[in-house]
Amino acid sequence: DTEVTQTPKHLVMGMTNKKSLKCEQHMGHRAMYWYKQKAKKPPELMFVYSYEKLSINESVPSRFSPECPNSSLLNLHLHALQPEDSALYLCASSSRAGGTDTQYFGPGTRLTVL
Amino acid sequence: GENVEQHPSTLSVQEGDSAVIKCTYSDSASNYFPWYKQELGKRPQLIIDIRSNVGEKKDQRIAVTLNKTAKHFSLHITETQPEDSAVYFCAASRGLNDMRFGAGTRLTVKP
Repeated sequence: DTEVTQTPKHLVMGMTNKKSLKCEQHMGHRAMYWYKQKAKKPPELMFVYSYEKLSINESVPSRFSPECPNSSLLNLHLHALQPEDSALYLCASSSRAGGTDTQYFGPGTRLTVL
Repeated sequence: GENVEQHPSTLSVQEGDSAVIKCTYSDSASNYFPWYKQELGKRPQLIIDIRSNVGEKKDQRIAVTLNKTAKHFSLHITETQPEDSAVYFCAASRGLNDMRFGAGTRLTVKP
């Protein structure tokens, strides 16, 4: 299995809602990432997990809370989001942490905050 | 931190022609340079990458060149086809899981 999967595909939420995005890979990768991509822009790194530990947090607001329950799963918990947080949220994984290995992206979750 | 600049932002070529996209980076410690293709509504997909110990890499119609002294790298696509139309992103990394993307190039290949 050489794929990263993400659920849900689409999510619409109000500013007071709490929701979670999920990402899964079964390639034995030990590094997982969350990116945010606005329309016509490149992906922006949000968080990096290496061996299930948070290694990089790119000064992301606390209304985004990542979680890595095990080596195959990565969650992004959302609470009290703003309309400007509407974007495509991409998960990625790579085989090694701290290396220069290829990052494989999931299909993304398109989030709309009303 | 690393800053990656990418040019041009849009590129239109005739089918069969070549396309060249250029990127420059700021951090001399960067040692991994991937290129991703993203079709509309799809995920970014790696098309080719190069590491700092290599000056050029080729895979069929796609090639990447790297000039570490000048801190720039380029993507070359030969014999372009309509299905090459997409947004292409270059990226640079120091190997600390800190990949930074260029702004992207929208390539249109006209039949």
